[in-house]
Parts: sequence; C-alpha cells; structure tokens
Amino acid sequence: DIVMTQTPLSSPVTLGQPASISCRSSQSLVHSDGNTYLSWLQQRPGQPPRLLIYKISNRFSGVPDRFSGSGAGTDFTLKISRVEAEDVGVYYCTQATQFPQYTFGQGTKLEIK
Amino acid sequence: EVQLVDSGGGLVQPGGSLRLSCAASGFTVSSNNMGWVRQAPGEGLEWISVIYRGGGTYYADSVKGRFTISRDNSKNTLYLQINSLRVEDTAVYYCARVVDGLGIDYWGQGTLVTVSS
Repeated sequence: DIVMTQTPLSSPVTLGQPASISCRSSQSLVHSDGNTYLSWLQQRPGQPPRLLIYKISNRFSGVPDRFSGSGAGTDFTLKISRVEAEDVGVYYCTQATQFPQYTFGQGTKLEIK
Repeated sequence: EVQLVDSGGGLVQPGGSLRLSCAASGFTVSSNNMGWVRQAPGEGLEWISVIYRGGGTYYADSVKGRFTISRDNSKNTLYLQINSLRVEDTAVYYCARVVDGLGIDYWGQGTLVTVSS
C-alpha cells in the first residue's frame, strides 16, 4: 500500500496568518491515465471529514478560495492563505491513485495560538 | 442535495455482530462506487471496504472474511454487515461515495460501534 506521511502533525497558527501542511507519498501518485489522485480533507471537531481539494489543486464545491493545493509526483502541500477560527480541525491528505487501496495520511491538527 | 445518513451502531460484546446502514438521497447508490471508512477513537481514517457500481467488492485485510458490504437498490441504501467483532473494531464508521476521477466526495455523519464486554 502507498504510505502517506504528513508534516507537521500539529500546527499552531495565529488568526489571519497563513498555514501550510505537507504530504509525502511513498511512491508516485501519477495514475496510468495521467492524473494524480491526491485529495485533502478537513475534519472539524465532532464532524465527519469533508472534501476540500481533489486532484492536487481543484477546490471542491463550496470550499473557500483561501484553501489551495499544489505539488506533483510524491510531494504535495495544502495552504490556507489566512486562517479563520472555523478552520480549526484535523487535515488529512489521501490518495485514490491505487484505488481500491485508498490510504490516508495520519492527519495534521490545526489549532489557533 | 447529496445526503448520506449512517445508522446501526451500538455497544456489542466481542464476537458479536451488527449491521450498519447508510441511507442515501440526492443520487443513486447503484450508479456509484460506495464505501466504508472507520475511525478509531482519537485516531486517523482507515478505508475498509468498497462496492463497485457493477457489484464487485473489495475489503481491507483487517476486515476480510468478517465484514460484508452490500446494497439494496430499491431502498437506495448501503450496508455493512460486521461479524466476529473484536475490541479493535471499536470506531466511528462512515459511509462514503467514491467518484471516478475525484475520490471520496461525500461522507455520512458516522455511526459509533463499541466492542466491549
């Protein structure tokens, strides 16, 4: 299975400041069809996960434009341009390239300083 | 509007069984790949099973032989039959819709399974 490794595991951020989370996969996430199936999820406290970003950099419906994704191959980044209080939670990267062996990163906890 | 409503969780003794349900609305379950993901208390996410549009199934090694995924097209509902439960199966179980070219786009709210004597 592809192993997804996130850094940092915890990120204290000041409101209004940017935040960045990295995700590295144990092998390339480029699918044979040429796409890279790397997504980012947000899980607010007590809530189910929610899709933020798919195929590296595409924002899902209703996701604010302060969230952006980038990267290629095995290295990916989620950025929040200006953190708001509602962004507190745990963020997961996940790959569907090797579907059905879908795997998740261990999660990064975003908290306000 | 796409909605997934999970139910069926509860407290069960080791070795027991439960059937989890996921009632879908706003789309047709049988026209999509559907799956289950679980999250142990305070832990991360674990993908455990999928049923494809065509009816084929896949299971993670951790649940193979004990869990069975199925769907009822007339009720537009996804199921997960979980047998021979172990303490380590304690988790919130989420159903999820999997879209080609995107991955999991919608999640249920989750249902808690607690395995304890």
